[in-house]
Amino acid sequence: DAGITQSPRHKVTETGTPVTLRCHQTENHRYMYWYRQDPGHGLRLIHYSYGVKDTDKGEVSDGYSVSRSKTEDFLLTLESATSSQTSVYFCAISRGPDSYEQYFGPGTRLTVT
Amino acid sequence: GESVGLHLPTLSVQEGDNSIINCAYSNSASDYFIWYKQESGKGPQFIIDIRSNMDKRQGQRVTVLLNKTVKHLSLQIAATQPGDSAVYFCAENISTGGFKTIFGAGTRLFVKA
Repeated sequence: DAGITQSPRHKVTETGTPVTLRCHQTENHRYMYWYRQDPGHGLRLIHYSYGVKDTDKGEVSDGYSVSRSKTEDFLLTLESATSSQTSVYFCAISRGPDSYEQYFGPGTRLTVT
Repeated sequence: GESVGLHLPTLSVQEGDNSIINCAYSNSASDYFIWYKQESGKGPQFIIDIRSNMDKRQGQRVTVLLNKTVKHLSLQIAATQPGDSAVYFCAENISTGGFKTIFGAGTRLFVKA
């Protein structure tokens, strides 16, 4: 988890409320990713970023948006949380397109009631 | 920390024995593979990688074997220790046509002392 922090680490929220998760890195890596991890599904990519203000969708992007205004910060927003978004969310970073090794943060457990 | 109560295939081994964890990957175009280890309450950590032009790669106490004919990957852990208890994921990466990484569902390794 060195160099990557996520906040908050735990959150309980109600259906319909907006939620923002933050990922912060001190490694100056170009690529940042948001995954969700659910039983039976492993890690699934939500969105990723390949530079400041450059983002793209992953396989489960519906209901999520992201922003990256600085190299070190990548925000994941649930505009209107639903119970199906209850999950553990991981942020990851990597150096670039020729370096697929990803370094993961400690995760955020989000519960939507 | 964060963890997910995954209902995963489980491998139980005696301390000191060798462990073999298998993974079937999905895409014949995948050209780079990584094994990750996820301990309870933490994010995944890189263990070892292998490119598709190789059949075998060794690290410290770990060996990865790649069989492209049957799209199979295995992770061998020598002299398994209690600290090896974790969930292990394989990840396949496709370098053409943009970024794409697919994670397997994982295998839980339990080491008996």
